[in-house]
Amino acid sequence: GQNIDQPTEMTATEGAIVQINCTYQTSGFNGLFWYQQHAGEAPTFLSYNVLDGLEEKGRFSSFLSRSKGYSYLLLKELQMKDSASYLCAVGPRDYKLSFGAGTTVTVRA
Amino acid sequence: SQTIHQWPATLVQPVGSPLSLECTVEGTSNPNLYWYRQAAGRGLQLLFYSVGIGQISSEVPQNLSASRPQDRQFILSSKKLLLSDSGFYLCAWSRLGRGTSYEQYFGPGTRLTVT
Repeated sequence: GQNIDQPTEMTATEGAIVQINCTYQTSGFNGLFWYQQHAGEAPTFLSYNVLDGLEEKGRFSSFLSRSKGYSYLLLKELQMKDSASYLCAVGPRDYKLSFGAGTTVTVRA
Repeated sequence: SQTIHQWPATLVQPVGSPLSLECTVEGTSNPNLYWYRQAAGRGLQLLFYSVGIGQISSEVPQNLSASRPQDRQFILSSKKLLLSDSGFYLCAWSRLGRGTSYEQYFGPGTRLTVT
């Protein structure tokens, strides 16, 4: 089975940095994904890691350590529009992604 | 570019009524297709997935069913809705084949309220 853990909520100030951690235990692994979901909207794909290390995409970076079953999403220079839920997902196993419950990030002025 | 459509956007249905939600994908062929449900404040629950026409795998026993009558069309149905079927229904697609990263792309969703 799959077990994916991430914090429920985080709050940060505009312009700051926030790191969202995700730990996982899976019976198979072929990649870790991060999604952003604004309230009332569908999730949108942010990043994909399959090898250990850091992947950077503008203000967002994602890190993976397969031996530790650990990933984080780093959001830099926070903006108000970054207030959203961030979903960690592991996959694919039989073409399926397993999603964590999501971390709600609130950015305050 | 690829796009994914879902309709309707919102739906209010009485308990015991039937349901049909439709999802179509444009700009790609032979996609993997998925139906998820998200209850208020909860994570994504995979309901069904399909790797080809007529091929449906069910993840959770329930009163819902899915069909894939065409390569890029995925339908979620129910004969009799329950109150617990309320939620945000999301369709997603991913590429099929070796050497792909399998990220899933989501449609805009259907918000279903069963009354």
